[in-house]
Amino acid sequence: GDSVTQMEGPVTLSEEAFLTINCTYTATGYPSLFWYVQYPGEGLQLLLKATKADDKGSNKGFEATYRKETTSFHLEKGSVQVSDSAVYFCALSDSQGGSEKLVFGKGTKLTVNP
Amino acid sequence: NAGVMQNPRHLVRRRGQEARLRCSPMKGHSHVYWYRQLPEEGLKFMVYLQKENIIDESGMPKERFSAEFPKEGPSILRIQQVVRGDSAAYFCASSPWTSGRNNEQFFGPGTRLTVL
Repeated sequence: GDSVTQMEGPVTLSEEAFLTINCTYTATGYPSLFWYVQYPGEGLQLLLKATKADDKGSNKGFEATYRKETTSFHLEKGSVQVSDSAVYFCALSDSQGGSEKLVFGKGTKLTVNP
Repeated sequence: NAGVMQNPRHLVRRRGQEARLRCSPMKGHSHVYWYRQLPEEGLKFMVYLQKENIIDESGMPKERFSAEFPKEGPSILRIQQVVRGDSAAYFCASSPWTSGRNNEQFFGPGTRLTVL
């Protein structure tokens, strides 16, 4: 079945550091790829998405590029802020059988220190 | 436009009791998804419903769990005879119906179930 593997956490960075969270996937179809962010005690919010190969999703300084050849969708940000501290989830959806369920990675907890 | 609403936010049950979790999708959304998040784990899909229909229940445990999304009112996830292993955060997400694929799912704040 479909699966998502993302970098184990936790990740601790200083403010203004460069961030990379790796994500790779396995899918039988041609999935769309997502990054969600979860702040403490809250639900998930969509951060960015890409629906086809070589698409780049971007939002709030975060970027990720859909790489079909390496089945990857790594999340990057050039300069993190304290407010970016959260748990980040990589996910895919491939609409098999008409179901658009999301398959999530285990999440990576990011802590940014001032 | 109010977001996805879930209630209760926190629910405590003793082993053997029933738990009912409610989800009101965003206005205009006709698709509802339920996910479960165990401690230190990612979210796992449970069930996908449209109004009055279960579309995909491949993630639902075979026993004790059921879900519905009636024509009127919220979607309900029901867990009968709860056990300690059911303790988790349960998230509901909704999306609108469009002809395109991979519509964005909007998540509620979750219900945190604790089974004593």
